[in-house]
Amino acid sequence: NAGVTQTPKFQVLKTGQSMTLQCAQDMNHEYMSWYRQDPGMGLRLIHYSVGAGITDQGEVPNGYNVSRSTTEDFPLRLLSAAPSQTSVYFCASSLAGYSYNEQFFGPGTRLTVL
Amino acid sequence: GEDVEQSLFLSVREGDSSVINCTYTDSSSTYLYWYKQEPGAGLQLLTYIFSNMDMKQDQRLTVLLNKKDKHLSLRIADTQTGDSAIYFCADYNTDKLIFGTGTRLQVFP
Repeated sequence: NAGVTQTPKFQVLKTGQSMTLQCAQDMNHEYMSWYRQDPGMGLRLIHYSVGAGITDQGEVPNGYNVSRSTTEDFPLRLLSAAPSQTSVYFCASSLAGYSYNEQFFGPGTRLTVL
Repeated sequence: GEDVEQSLFLSVREGDSSVINCTYTDSSSTYLYWYKQEPGAGLQLLTYIFSNMDMKQDQRLTVLLNKKDKHLSLRIADTQTGDSAIYFCADYNTDKLIFGTGTRLQVFP
């Protein structure tokens, strides 16, 4: 199993550009989520999904869109990048979100918006 | 909303014990977690404790939970240089994990 994979590892964007951060898992996990990590602020939940076709907002959803058309993939879209979105983005998955299940994290995508 | 707080830094000598503290506000927590993040990597689950437990021990790790004070701690016995990392406390609440700010543990010889 590859676990949780994220692409790209690094990305530099100009303000106003759009892009999609890819996340995939091969563990047949129902629950997937996106976090951003900023210095001194820990991880903050952006969006999450409890299964294919179902998504919901987390703590900081503004400026980001998600969709979940398959169990395996959970892409995160930035429609018009802003410098405030400079961060490290982590995707995570687990068997289910409504009871204890270990969340498995991807290696992260480091995004810089100029 | 729910909040989880940690101190930002901890520095210990190799071989000593480390104690990382965390406070949370959610009174309906079911599980509380400790995750470890090594430089340039994602987070890995270290251990967790169910809310009806006071203590959990797992080799060099001891987790203490004080529900009355909403205080969680992680003790690492015989701390090694390989333990240097950022440690995150997290609170599980209705499909979401709420993370603390993380405590950067530095181990010096």
